[in-house]
Amino acid sequence: NFMLTQPHSVSESPGKTVTISCTRSSGSIASNYVQWYQQRPGSSPTTVIYEGIHRPSGVPDRFSGSIDSSSNSASLTISGLKTEDEADYYCQSYHSSNSVVFGGGTKLTVL
Amino acid sequence: QLQLQESGPGLVKPSETLSLTCTVSGGSINRNSYSWGWIRQPPGRGLEWIGSIYYTWTTYYNPSLKSRVTMSIDSSKNHFSLNLSSVTAADTAVYFCARSYINTWAFDFWGLGTLVTVSS
Repeated sequence: NFMLTQPHSVSESPGKTVTISCTRSSGSIASNYVQWYQQRPGSSPTTVIYEGIHRPSGVPDRFSGSIDSSSNSASLTISGLKTEDEADYYCQSYHSSNSVVFGGGTKLTVL
Repeated sequence: QLQLQESGPGLVKPSETLSLTCTVSGGSINRNSYSWGWIRQPPGRGLEWIGSIYYTWTTYYNPSLKSRVTMSIDSSKNHFSLNLSSVTAADTAVYFCARSYINTWAFDFWGLGTLVTVSS
């Protein structure tokens, strides 16, 4: 199986843009869909990006997802940061054998 | 609106079996586009997928937990269940149930989660 590696934490100021990376250890990042979840303390995760680039209805267009085959990574970019964006973010994908993998999570602090 | 609700004991003794049920309301569990999964989160740590089950009883388990996990589904009650055997303190976690799309493994609806503590 492969691993998904995320930075442990990132921080940025309100109004700025932050990008969180998710690097796949083996196999192509483009081989299987990547999702991104936001989890606030004490709450269940919610989807902010699915299938690499798509936003569920109700998620602001400040959230965007991308895939970079050259670095074998997926990225979540949040622009116009708001204090309400402060949360943990997890990427998730799956192996072709139908085994789901989560990244270790990134704590976003909006200073 | 689909809702998922976990239920089961909040305290389990070491070496015993952890048993949880997820009741689905607002939609049928017999949908061929979805699978139904369990994900856990130890206190202060990240998410770990435990396994998923399809309404036909096809199961997919995390290889690291496979020897201890059994999942089942009861369409008549619109719920699915998790059994995790031989638990230790390392199995202490919040356990979430969730629905995922069968082709993309995107989890779109989650339960609120239930804390299970393994302690004597």
